[in-house]
Order: sequence, then C-alpha cells, then structure tokens
Amino acid sequence: AQTVTQSQPEMSVQEAETVTLSCTYDTSESDYYLFWYKQPPSRQMILVIRQEAYKQQNATENRFSVNFQKAAKSFSLKISDSQLGDAAMYFCAYRMGDLRGGSEKLVFGKGTKLTVNP
Amino acid sequence: KAGVTQTPRYLIKTRGQQVTLSCSPISGHRSVSWYQQTPGQGLQFLFEYFSETQRNKGNFPGRFSGRQFSNSRSEMNVSTLELGDSALYLCASSLVGGVGQPQHFGDGTRLSIL
Repeated sequence: AQTVTQSQPEMSVQEAETVTLSCTYDTSESDYYLFWYKQPPSRQMILVIRQEAYKQQNATENRFSVNFQKAAKSFSLKISDSQLGDAAMYFCAYRMGDLRGGSEKLVFGKGTKLTVNP
Repeated sequence: KAGVTQTPRYLIKTRGQQVTLSCSPISGHRSVSWYQQTPGQGLQFLFEYFSETQRNKGNFPGRFSGRQFSNSRSEMNVSTLELGDSALYLCASSLVGGVGQPQHFGDGTRLSIL
C-alpha cells in the first residue's frame, strides 16, 4: 500500500533561519506527483510546492525548495529565511493511482507542526 | 477572484441524522475534490467530481456520497451519521480534472456529531 511518512511531528526554527521538513513515501509506481501543503491555524490548506516524479530538477517556489531523491523515495521541504507567517502544519502528499482508471487519489502524511520563533 | 467557498462553516448533528455540505469552486474550475480531516486518521480523500461525474473515489462507505452541478458547485451528503464522522471536511477545486493538479482549498466545514 502506498504510504507517506512524516517522521517529525513538530519542528521549530528561529526567524530568518533555515529549516528542513522530512517526508518519505512508499510506491511501486514510476510516474507520480508529490506535494507539500501548508495549513495555518486559519485551517485553509495552501499548496506550497509540487514535484513531478519524472522531472529530475528539484522544484522551487521563492523561499521554498525541495530535495527530491527518487531512488530513496524521499521528498524533503526546505524553508529558507523563515518568517513568522510560515508557522503552520505542513503536509506531504503523494498522488497515486490512474486518472483514466478512476482510482486516482491524494495520500497525505500525518503532518509536521512548524513553529517559528521571533 | 473569489476563492473556494464552503458552507456552512460549522454544523452540529446527532447520530442517525443526515447532512449536506456545499462547496462552490473558484470560477472556471471544473474539478471539485472532498477530503475528511480528523486528529486520528489525518487527511483522507473522499472523492473527486469533474463535469458532473464522479471521477475518483477513496475508501469510504456508501453513506458518503456527492454530486456536482452544471455550474461546478458540489455537494457532499453523509447519511446515518456516526460519532466517527465528526471531522473537518475540506473541499478543493482545480482548473482541470485529476488530484495531481494544483488544488485550491476552502476553509472547510467543521461537523460535530453528538
């Protein structure tokens, strides 16, 4: 079964510092998508970054970047120059299944709660 | 552009009742997906609708159903409510079909079962 594991339930970082959140996944598929979503206390989920497995280049979005290691099935998120507004639950997600077969779904990890200290 | 709108924000029901939740996607988005979020099980995918058709379905019992209208608005219905259905229900929309697409989430409906 496809699973997503976030081994760090909680992390903290000082403002302006860099933090890395870990995510590993288990899959037998060769082509898939990986995501990091952020859920602040306001509870609205926000897409942070998306990675297509067939692309070797790591995705980046401003201060957010990923380290995608396909062979190791690892997909970590690096936040540079952390800001107070980055405080949130971060969820790693994996898209599994086949859209044409009607079996596509997103599988989420349990999340990592990030605290940013001023 | 208005975001994804979910109504109501909060809902309290008793066991055995049924409930309908509503989701209005971002204008122009044709895909709507539903998720259940609980402290114990985390975030779980319920189903996805695209062009009024259910395209994908998660592992939930038949008590959970949905539909999508021609204007892309979607409703989710849960019948014979159980205590374990207490959760935050999130709706997400995307421009095209498939949960692999970037999704925009609403604020959710908090459902409490007494």
